[in-house]
Amino acid sequence: GQQLNQSPQSMFIQEGEDVSMNCTSSSIFNTWLWYKQDPGEGPVLLIALYKAGELTSNGRLTAQFGITRKDSFLNISASIPSDVGIYFCAGGDRGSTLGRLYFGRGTQLTVWP
Amino acid sequence: DGGITQSPKYLFRKEGQNVTLSCEQNLNHDAMYWYRQDPGQGLRLIYYSQIVNDFQKGDIAEGYSVSREKKESFPLTVTSAQKNPTAFYLCASSTDLGLAGDTQYFGPGTRLTVL
Repeated sequence: GQQLNQSPQSMFIQEGEDVSMNCTSSSIFNTWLWYKQDPGEGPVLLIALYKAGELTSNGRLTAQFGITRKDSFLNISASIPSDVGIYFCAGGDRGSTLGRLYFGRGTQLTVWP
Repeated sequence: DGGITQSPKYLFRKEGQNVTLSCEQNLNHDAMYWYRQDPGQGLRLIYYSQIVNDFQKGDIAEGYSVSREKKESFPLTVTSAQKNPTAFYLCASSTDLGLAGDTQYFGPGTRLTVL
């Protein structure tokens, strides 16, 4: 399957700091999605991006769909302890038929109070 | 409330036994998916189904089987042929409406442990 490179693999930051993570692919995607997963739970959708160049915010979260359609980034501003978790990017290849998602390996975020 | 439910949350199985994981959704979604998650890994696709009575193998289908007799339900059977079944299993669903169909919503997961 297609491979998504997500970085960094882990981050250790202090409460109040901003966070940035990104995802790159060798293939073009039609959709970029960002999920957060808490331990022992299923991933929860944070932001969905459907158009190249699109910049979307959800509270303190901001994500962009790269112009080349091969990358995306997620920023978290003014981090708080509940931001702790694993963040996954996913690329969708929907064309004329139902597509599938390809996932990055995740960024483990730890926030120190 | 609309959502995806998976049961049980924790499942223990002896080697050589088949076990079936349940996934139900009341979102009226057409497509459903099963993923496997191992520590430090991304999500790997096992099977997916676009419509009732139809499903396709994903990247790691060996040792697994599924059925899609109802739109709301997509059970996954982990057979004894699966050599390393201990993992966290996630079910997801999505609509069939344009690009939004790429947006998948996940259930809470089932942790399977083989003893």
